Amino acid sequence: YVLTQPPSVSVAPGGTAILTCGGNNIRNKNVHWYQQKPGQAPVSVIYYNSDRPSGIPERFSGSNSWNTATLTISRVEAGDEADYYCQVWDGGSIHVIFGGGTKLTVL
Amino acid sequence: QVQLVESGGGLVKPGGSLRLSCAASGFTLGDYYMTWIRQAPGKGLEWLSYISSTGSTIYYADSVRGRFTISRDNAKNSLYLQMNSLRAEDTAVYYCARDLGGNCCNWFDPWGQGTLVTVSS
Repeated sequence: YVLTQPPSVSVAPGGTAILTCGGNNIRNKNVHWYQQKPGQAPVSVIYYNSDRPSGIPERFSGSNSWNTATLTISRVEAGDEADYYCQVWDGGSIHVIFGGGTKLTVL
Repeated sequence: QVQLVESGGGLVKPGGSLRLSCAASGFTLGDYYMTWIRQAPGKGLEWLSYISSTGSTIYYADSVRGRFTISRDNAKNSLYLQMNSLRAEDTAVYYCARDLGGNCCNWFDPWGQGTLVTVSS
């Protein structure tokens, strides 16, 4: 199972960043998202498609439909600049799968 | 405070072995699945293996099956990754992470800070 993420997305401060994660019938899977800032370990920002771990701002939201899961970051701040990875569990291979990651640049 | 701290990384020659450890604090390791994930320099995340709370269920990525062995000692609140027959392409930062979804629904929080493994002659 393959998850496809665009390599990069750019957004102006205060704007809305839409990060996509494509996969065959991904709507049938639970999608999780991680934020990784340079030199740091990844941090969970969305789990089970749309739930936020404690401490994650409401500006982060997720959705999952048909062949694309989406992480939306509203009112983008400079501190949101990071790599973002989507992740699913694939029952067919019994593997955890990560997307290739999207680098979010705040202009 | 829930925390994971990896150790045991370093420089090893191709064909060599290394054992990584992950010490958990702030929670009871035995209540959770645990996982190892790595990240090669400048690359994305690669899942390696996860182990159930009791150790009865273990899965590996194809890239490490037969060479790496995951294990745990719940009494010591510790997770391990024994890495044998190491190759240059195993060079990466290795992270342990708590698995909050368990089998079929795995998602990871928190992650340790990572330990660097370099395979080079």
